[in-house]
Amino acid sequence: DAGVTQSPTHLIKTRGQQVTLRCSPKSGHDTVSWYQQALGQGPQFIFQYYEEEERQRGNFPDRFSGHQFPNYSSELNVNALLLGDSALYLCASSLAGTGTNYGYTFGSGTRLTVV
Amino acid sequence: AQKITQTQPGMFVQEKEAVTLDCTYDTSDPSYGLFWYKQPSSGEMIFLIYQGSYDQQNATEGRYSLNFQKARKSANLVISASQLGDSAMYFCAMSSDNTDKLIFGTGTRLQVFP
Repeated sequence: DAGVTQSPTHLIKTRGQQVTLRCSPKSGHDTVSWYQQALGQGPQFIFQYYEEEERQRGNFPDRFSGHQFPNYSSELNVNALLLGDSALYLCASSLAGTGTNYGYTFGSGTRLTVV
Repeated sequence: AQKITQTQPGMFVQEKEAVTLDCTYDTSDPSYGLFWYKQPSSGEMIFLIYQGSYDQQNATEGRYSLNFQKARKSANLVISASQLGDSAMYFCAMSSDNTDKLIFGTGTRLQVFP
């Protein structure tokens, strides 16, 4: 049973560019959340997708956007990259309504470096 | 606003000994969940244990137990019989019924030595 799959694992981009990160949720899960983890910090919630709609959003600018596809997979897009966007981006999946009780399954993340 | 505080940046423990990782939280929500995750150097967040705010008993999962003291707003993780493979970052996190997202602390780096 495959867990959460994220691609790519590592990425280097130049300031001002745009990037797309991808996530395939665990089999049977229908909700995808994205987190940003800066070096030495805990993960910060970016947004959550369910039924192809953004359901919740954290304190991130509009440069961060996302999408969820009918097969529940998701993309995170970041425009106009800043040096401060360098971080590990984690995707977490859950079954709607159960995440609060049973937690989430996380992927191994995409490490984004902006130079 | 919800907040998780982990005051121990790093902890050392000898193999086979027990260790306690501290976590305090702040919330005004009447119903919430508390989680501990392990993050090895690979980056993946591995779910360890969950405690619901209305649970009467402290949660246990194998060598992991959660010392839940609601009045003190603390949710410490106890790892018994530490193993070398337990060396990793450990994060305490919280969610509430009002919001299906996790609020994380800053983590504690645990190092287990032989």
